[in-house]
Order: sequence, then C-alpha cells, then structure tokens
Amino acid sequence: ETGVTQSPTHLIKTRGQQVTLRCSSQSGHNTVSWYQQALGQGPQFIFQYYREEENGRGNFPPRFSGLQFPNYSSELNVNALELDDSALYLCASSFGKIEGSPYEQYFGPGTRLTVT
Amino acid sequence: QKEVEQDPGPLSVPEGAIVSLNCTYSNSAFQYFMWYRQYSRKGPELLMYTYSSGNKEDGRFTAQVDKSSKYISLFIRDSQPSDSATYLCAMSAYNDYKLSFGAGTTVTVRA
Repeated sequence: ETGVTQSPTHLIKTRGQQVTLRCSSQSGHNTVSWYQQALGQGPQFIFQYYREEENGRGNFPPRFSGLQFPNYSSELNVNALELDDSALYLCASSFGKIEGSPYEQYFGPGTRLTVT
Repeated sequence: QKEVEQDPGPLSVPEGAIVSLNCTYSNSAFQYFMWYRQYSRKGPELLMYTYSSGNKEDGRFTAQVDKSSKYISLFIRDSQPSDSATYLCAMSAYNDYKLSFGAGTTVTVRA
C-alpha cells in the first residue's frame, strides 16, 4: 500500500509569485484535504476535494485554489503569494464520504513553502 | 478564544514515565476526537481515533474523552525516547469534513 506523497519537499518563492503544490493520495482513497501549518501551530483546514469536486472550504481567500484529478491526486495553487503564506502545506487523504464520520485522514510529509 | 486549546509545553520526562497530554474545546458539536504524532519536519501520523465520551486503549496509548467537561486526554505509558515528538489533538463534528487541531504539545523523553 502506497502512502500519501507530496512534491516538492521545499520551495522558495518571492512575494507576488504563484505556486503549485502536488499530492498523490494513498491507494484506495478518493478524498483529499489540504491544510496549512504555520510554525509552532496546528494545521488549519484549507479545503477538501471528493471525487474531483470541492467538498468544503476553510477561512482562506480565493487566491488559494485547488484541483482533484480522475486518479484522485490533487493540486493546491496559491496566487499572489504573501509573506504570511510561508508554512508547511499538508495533504491528507481518506476513503469515502461515510455518513456522520469524518473518516480517518492520513497525512503526507508536507511541502515547506518559504515566501521572501 | 480558539476552538481547540492545547498547552504547547514543552514537556520533558524520563524514559519509562507516563506522559499525560490534554486538550480542551469550546464547540459542543465535536463528536470525533483524534490524536496525531508529528516528528520534526514530517507530516502528522494518526495515533488514536475515538467517538464520543469514554476510553480507548491501544498498546501503550490510552485516549480519554469527557464531553461533559469538553476535555480530552492522551496517556503514553512506559514512554520511550522514540516517543519524542509533537502531539496534536484534532476533532470534528458530525457530518463535518474538516479537522480542527490544537497547537500541539512538544514532548521529549530523556534516555
């Protein structure tokens, strides 16, 4: 069974630029969630994709957008980067949309983004 | 006030000690409670998943949930240096898709 993978591992960008982060979900999983983790903080929910459709969004501006592909891999795009966007970006995959349950979410190693 | 409060520590204990971690929360809708372990520069790893009030044990780990007090705990028995990590509590409401996390508690187990 293949775990959640993310690329790239590290990234340095300049304020105002755009960035794309990628995630491959765990084998058998069809749901991907993205989280932002600032240094010394817990992860904050950005959005979730279920079967290629956005299934919910946290308190992040529209310049944070995403995609999910037919193979259930996903991208997170951030436009007009700001210094405060510097963080660890985590992708979590899970299976299905079980009524009531948030289902177990398994995280990848993350992409560390530095905005200068 | 944050939705989930967790003491960031740091917590330092000798090998073999019991580690006690806890979180409090304000959202009474939370029904699903999780504990994740995060090593430095790695993604969080799911340790325990519990539903509603009560206890759950898995090897050296015990998770407790007290919904009346809005308080959850994780106990690690016979702690090992390999348990040194940041421990994150997370929770979710019924039919909700997102996890709300605490800030994490950093634990060091001294050999």
